[in-house]
Amino acid sequence: NAGVTQTPKFQVLKTGQSMTLQCAQDMNHEYMSWYRQDPGMGLRLIHYSVGAGITDQGEVPNGYNVSRSTTEDFPLRLLSAAPSQTSVYFCASRLLGQGEQYFGPGTRLTVT
Amino acid sequence: QQQVKQSPQSLIVQKGGIPIINCAYENTAFDYFPWYQQFPGKGPALLIAIRPDVSEKKEGRFTISFNKSAKQFSLHIMDSQPGDSATYFCAASARHDKIIFGKGTRLHILP
Repeated sequence: NAGVTQTPKFQVLKTGQSMTLQCAQDMNHEYMSWYRQDPGMGLRLIHYSVGAGITDQGEVPNGYNVSRSTTEDFPLRLLSAAPSQTSVYFCASRLLGQGEQYFGPGTRLTVT
Repeated sequence: QQQVKQSPQSLIVQKGGIPIINCAYENTAFDYFPWYQQFPGKGPALLIAIRPDVSEKKEGRFTISFNKSAKQFSLHIMDSQPGDSATYFCAASARHDKIIFGKGTRLHILP
């Protein structure tokens, strides 16, 4: 099993550009989520999904879109990047009803 | 009510000492309390977890103490080593629901 994979590892965007952060898992986990990590702020939940076709907002959803067309994939879209979105982004997955959550290696995004 | 409050923000301990990290929560629906460990440049990884039907859980040098009435739980690292230097996150969730994380504690173990 590859676990949770994320691409790209690093990305630099200019303000106003759009991009998609990719996330995939091969563990057949129903639950997938996106977090951003900023110094002193911990891990803040952006969006999450409990299964294909179902998504919901977390603590900090503004400026981000998600979709879940398959169990395996959960991409995060930035429609118009802003400097405030400079952060490290983590995708995670777990089985529904069980707490252990597996994290990907992260994407470091810089918006100039 | 969804928050998990974690302290201290940072901690420096001599090798062999016992660092203690504390967390508090409000939501009584939470029934799963994990701790995650994160090394620089890596994603967090599950370290140890507890459910509220027990007051303590040990795995190797790591122990969670849980006080249901006070709505607090803590992580103790026995015989700490420089390799334990990392950021530690406490978290909480209710069954089938999202996991809420504390803000993290940066732990440094001096050799």
